[in-house]
Amino acid sequence: AQSVTQLGSHVSVSEGALVLLRCNYSSSVPPYLFWYVQYPNQGLQLLLKYTSAATLVKGINGFEAEFKKSETSFHLTKPSAHMSDAAEYFCAVRYNNNDMRFGAGTRLTVKP
Amino acid sequence: GAGVSQSPRYKVTKRGQDVALRCDPISGHVSLYWYRQALGQGPEFLTYFNYEAQQDKSGLPNDRFSAERPEGSISTLTIQRTEQRDSAMYRCASSPTSVSTDTQYFGPGTRLTVL
Repeated sequence: AQSVTQLGSHVSVSEGALVLLRCNYSSSVPPYLFWYVQYPNQGLQLLLKYTSAATLVKGINGFEAEFKKSETSFHLTKPSAHMSDAAEYFCAVRYNNNDMRFGAGTRLTVKP
Repeated sequence: GAGVSQSPRYKVTKRGQDVALRCDPISGHVSLYWYRQALGQGPEFLTYFNYEAQQDKSGLPNDRFSAERPEGSISTLTIQRTEQRDSAMYRCASSPTSVSTDTQYFGPGTRLTVL
C-alpha cells in the first residue's frame, strides 16, 4: 500500500536559515510526488510536483525538492527562510489512479 | 478566474442530524475530489468523480456518507445521522483532467462540528 511519512510534525528555523522538510514514501514503484502548503484559513496550494521528469523540481516561493529513488525520499528545501513561509506543509503521493495519499503535515515556524 | 469554493465554511450540527456540504469546482474541471482532514493530520481521500460519474468511493467511511455530482459540476457530500466522530474539515478539490499528474486545486474547506 502506498503511504508517505513526514518526519517532524513541527520544524522551527530562524529567518534566513535553511528550510528542510522531510518526506519519505513507501513503494517499490516510484510514485508521483507533490508538496502542498496550507496557510491559516486557506485551502491547500501546490508548491511543486515530481512527475518522472527532472529529479530536481523547482516550485513557487523559492522552494525546491529532489526525488531520490534510492532513498525513497522527496525532501523540500529552501535556502533562506522568510517570515511569510510560516505555514503547514504536506507531502503527498499518487500512482496511476486518483487516490492521493497525504502525510500528516509539518508545521514550519520562522523566528525573527 | 474563480477558484474552488465550498459552502458553508462552518457548520455546527447536533448529533443525529443530516448535513449537506457543497463544492463548486473550477469551471470546466473534469475531476472532483472530496477529502476529510482531522486536526493534526493530512487530508484523507474520500471519493472522486470524473464528470458526473463517481469513479471511486472506497474512502467513504461507511454508508452514512454519500456524494453526488449530477451535472458534472457542483458536488454535494451528504452525511446522514451525524456522529461526533464526523467532526473534521471537509475539503474539496478539482483538476482539469483525470490524469494522475494533474494538479488538484483545493477549496477553503468546510469545518464541520457535531455536538
